[in-house]
Amino acid sequence: AQTVTQSQPEMSVQEAETVTLSCTYDTSESDYYLFWYKQPPSRQMILVIRQEAYKQQNATENRFSVNFQKAAKSFSLKISDSQLGDAAMYFCAYRSQGGSEKLVFGKGTKLTVNP
Amino acid sequence: NAGVTQTPKFQVLKTGQSMTLQCAQDMNHEYMSWYRQDPGMGLRLIHYSVGAGITDQGEVPNGYNVSRSTTEDFPLRLLSAAPSQTSVYFCASRTGQGHNSPLHFGNGTRLTVT
Repeated sequence: AQTVTQSQPEMSVQEAETVTLSCTYDTSESDYYLFWYKQPPSRQMILVIRQEAYKQQNATENRFSVNFQKAAKSFSLKISDSQLGDAAMYFCAYRSQGGSEKLVFGKGTKLTVNP
Repeated sequence: NAGVTQTPKFQVLKTGQSMTLQCAQDMNHEYMSWYRQDPGMGLRLIHYSVGAGITDQGEVPNGYNVSRSTTEDFPLRLLSAAPSQTSVYFCASRTGQGHNSPLHFGNGTRLTVT
């Protein structure tokens, strides 16, 4: 079974600085999809970014980018120019390419942004 | 756009009571699912559906029932609530077009069982 590990329960960053959240996963599959979700205090789960395992190019969405290292099974999230609104829980998630509908989540990293 | 709508937002039950968490989506998504979120555990899949009339179990299905009579609705039933079911419940949906389609989540239901 696939597992997702987020080794940093909490992180903090100064406003306007850059922070990287770590995520590693364990799988024997070669094709799969990876996601980062943000959960602010409002509890809403918001998609931040997604990556297809077959794509070598790292995904980017405005200030958010990933460092996808397939061989190392690593999928870190970099937030540039951090803003107060970035403060939230961040969850890394994995989905198999076919068959299973299950999204496997990590336990999350709580990000604090200091003014 | 309403997206995924969950009701109620909060609920308190006594042990042994039953209730249904409602979930509706207006995006014509084929896939719908229920997750529970517990402190320090991330989200775990309870049940899911790949289309009307089709449901299947996820990682933690015990104590929960689901049905999918329409594309829009996917209610989650607790037949006899237990304190271990105290959690935040999320309904989610996604389109079946493309394996990389992301989940769209509802705002969650905080359930407390005393």
